[in-house]
Amino acid sequence: DGGITQSPKYLFRKEGQNVTLSCEQNLNHDAMYWYRQDPGQGLRLIYYSQIVNDFQKGDIAEGYSVSREKKESFPLTVTSAQKNPTAFYLCATRQGYEQYFGPGTRLTVT
Amino acid sequence: KQEVTQIPAALSVPEGENLVLNCSFTDSAIYNLQWFRQDPGKGLTSLLLIQSSQREQTSGRLNASLDKSSGRSTLYIAASQPGDSATYLCAVGHTSGTYKYIFGTGTRLKVLA
Repeated sequence: DGGITQSPKYLFRKEGQNVTLSCEQNLNHDAMYWYRQDPGQGLRLIYYSQIVNDFQKGDIAEGYSVSREKKESFPLTVTSAQKNPTAFYLCATRQGYEQYFGPGTRLTVT
Repeated sequence: KQEVTQIPAALSVPEGENLVLNCSFTDSAIYNLQWFRQDPGKGLTSLLLIQSSQREQTSGRLNASLDKSSGRSTLYIAASQPGDSATYLCAVGHTSGTYKYIFGTGTRLKVLA
């Protein structure tokens, strides 16, 4: 069953804690993306990776970190430096010009 | 800086109506434009992808057009159904070679039975 999996679906953390969101794909796509979605807003790009062992900052990278050690995996760490981490986080891959999205992780920080 | 706007923000129509959703962008130097559907609390599902060299794409009851010179794309939904109720987002791909995408804020559609 091919696709993109994000886990967990819901995540709760206390303020000041780092948290890592998982994104795994078996589509064999080279490029992967992390977006953040807030209510009433479009998706905003956090980080993206065109190939293994390489990634670039997006428009709102402050307070986030990523790694791309394997083609299948692109985990996102939300650090305590992120001022407003509560949001819906979406992972995507790209094949050619077309993007494919995972089901998302809703992170709540209190 | 590329900006993408979707108007209206919300739309409510009776079942069976044909409808048009709009997506405007400020910089015509784009690679492609992709339309997505998002159900509440879910990820995005790709509907149609239009390359910069194309004028339109069709899939079933959906037709998307692209006019780069005027910075506009429209998504036409024929014979709308309650199951079409969702948020529709457009995303514009840059020509910068970085394969970055800029998203609109979406149109929330409700089709009434």
